[in-house]
Parts: sequence; structure tokens; C-alpha cells
Amino acid sequence: GAGVSQSPRYKVAKRGQDVALRCDPISGHVSLFWYQQALGQGPEFLTYFQNEAQLDKSGLPSDRFFAERPEGSVSTLKIQRTQQEDSAVYLCASSLLNEQFFGPGTRLTVL
Amino acid sequence: RKEVEQDPGPFNVPEGATVAFNCTYSNSASQSFFWYRQDCRKEPKLLMSVYSSGNEDGRFTAQLNRASQYISLLIRDSKLSDSATYLCVVNLDTGRRALTFGSGTRLQVQP
Repeated sequence: GAGVSQSPRYKVAKRGQDVALRCDPISGHVSLFWYQQALGQGPEFLTYFQNEAQLDKSGLPSDRFFAERPEGSVSTLKIQRTQQEDSAVYLCASSLLNEQFFGPGTRLTVL
Repeated sequence: RKEVEQDPGPFNVPEGATVAFNCTYSNSASQSFFWYRQDCRKEPKLLMSVYSSGNEDGRFTAQLNRASQYISLLIRDSKLSDSATYLCVVNLDTGRRALTFGSGTRLQVQP
């Protein structure tokens, strides 16, 4: 079966633009996570869904960041009015039980 | 102070060497512990969970010391293919499923 997929793989945005990043989790995985990984750092938690419910959004750095998972499968992370400090790799992970399986990430560069 | 701290390395070792990585975590209520491996420009992948009694998987041995809040990973008989960044990962609370990552320790195994 397919793993977690993310699109686009690379995104270049001008400062102030809005971006939307997509995550397709492994089929049947109830839990979905978004992480942000800056260069040379480990991933940092952004938000967590169980099915369509967003149970934890404590890691979202500002109100410019918004995530949704309306039907409990595909999720979208939206960043409004992008800033240079938003440049990072955005990783999505899904899990059924304990192990989290990560997608390849979207590398966002804000110019 | 970061919640999970690791020596960033790099550790440069010859093939066949034994190498050990250490990690400390700050929250004594942490429940679950893992080592993830991340290759350059790839997603993190679970290497092994870490249990209180210590556990081994082939050439890899993980240890946990709850009293000292310390986790270790030992790699015996290093292979070129072991070259990667090793991320120490903690789950702070069973009710909060987000993973907390260290910044990673880079290993380069040389021929």
C-alpha cells in the first residue's frame, strides 16, 4: 500500500502570499499530524487530528496558520500572508495505533 | 532549555566501529521514547522504540534511564548505510499524541 503523500513537494512563495499544503494519509489511519522542520532542527509539532476533529493545535505558531481535515482523510495546512520565517519543510504524519508514518514533506521557501 | 537535547555531532567513524549517541529530556512525565532515523532530504522513519528494560534490534541497542532522564542508542559494527541523522524523540503525555524531537545527531560512517 501507498505511504503518506504530500503535495506539492516544493513551493516557492513571495512574502505575503497564501499557500496551501496537502497531505494524503495512509488509508484507514485515524490520526494525522503536521510538523514543521527548520533547517538543522528536528520536526516541531503543529497540530493533530483524530478523524475530522482537530484535537490539538497548540503548536501552530500564529493565527496565520490554519489546518483542516473535513472528511477525516485528506488534510490541508494553509498559511496566510507568508513570512520569511515560515520557510521550512512541512511534514505530515499519520498513524493507526502508536507509530507515526511520515510523508516526504513539502519544502516551502518564502522569498 | 530545549525539551529534548542531543549532541548535534557530526560523528565521523570508520566502518565497523561502535558508536553511541545520548539524549536527555526535561519533562519527567514523559511516557514514550523513540529513536528515528532521517536521511538527508528525506522524512524521519522510526528506527526503534525505547523501553525501560533496554532493547536490542540487531546491531542497535537502546537504553532508557528514567531517573536521569537519559536515553542512549548504541550502534555496533557500523555500516556505510548507517550514515544519517538520528533523532531522539519523546512523547510527553499519552493523552497528547504529539512527538517532541531533538535536533538530531549526525552520523557519517567512512570507508
